[in-house]
Amino acid sequence: QVQLVQSGAEVKKPGTSVKVSCKASGYTFTDYYIHWVRRAPGQGLEWMGWINPNTGDTNYVWSFQGRVTITRDTSTTTAYMEVSRLTSDDTALYYCARGTRNWGSGAYFDYWGQGTLVTVSS
Amino acid sequence: QSVLTQPPSVSGAPGQRVTISCTGYSSNIGAGYDVHWYQQFPGTAPKLLIYSNTFRPSGVPDRFSGSKSGTSASLAITGLQPEDEADYYCQSYDRNLRGSRVVFGGGTKLTVL
Repeated sequence: QVQLVQSGAEVKKPGTSVKVSCKASGYTFTDYYIHWVRRAPGQGLEWMGWINPNTGDTNYVWSFQGRVTITRDTSTTTAYMEVSRLTSDDTALYYCARGTRNWGSGAYFDYWGQGTLVTVSS
Repeated sequence: QSVLTQPPSVSGAPGQRVTISCTGYSSNIGAGYDVHWYQQFPGTAPKLLIYSNTFRPSGVPDRFSGSKSGTSASLAITGLQPEDEADYYCQSYDRNLRGSRVVFGGGTKLTVL
């Protein structure tokens, strides 16, 4: 069965960085895009970007440009999402999600990780 | 501020029918892009409920249905059950001069009375 298992909760100080992992299993890792979505307290879901595990190509929403980096390790079927220059506004639950085989207008997410809580506090 | 607009809350009694609306713009739903719906219970990850406007993944009851028209989409739940009480999110694709992105609604909390 398809599973996405994320790393544990993190507490970070403002100005530092956090890196969250997402280990995929139960399917061919390089066949589907991996996306990252976050949910801040009291807010809705916010899409952050994707990685094509086959090519390593990435795309980020413009509001995160320069602060978010998504990578992958095909040998361990794991995707990573790093956010730098953290502020209290980055306190949120971060999810990885399996997207479709291609990027485009039909993209949706059929499997999700369990979420990783990142708390930014001085 | 979410790009797609959903009502913050809806409610209904067991057995009733409720609908949740999702309104977008000409750069997303109005451009003909598909709408997808997710169900999320507290403390758990979102679950895909409807994809490509009207399709249900395996295991999703046919009490859940989706539709789309113009710049809006709707999720309908018939025969409301207590276990349907959850948050519901719509999602689409948006393309403008700044590029392309995935967009979500702000979420709707369904209360079963």
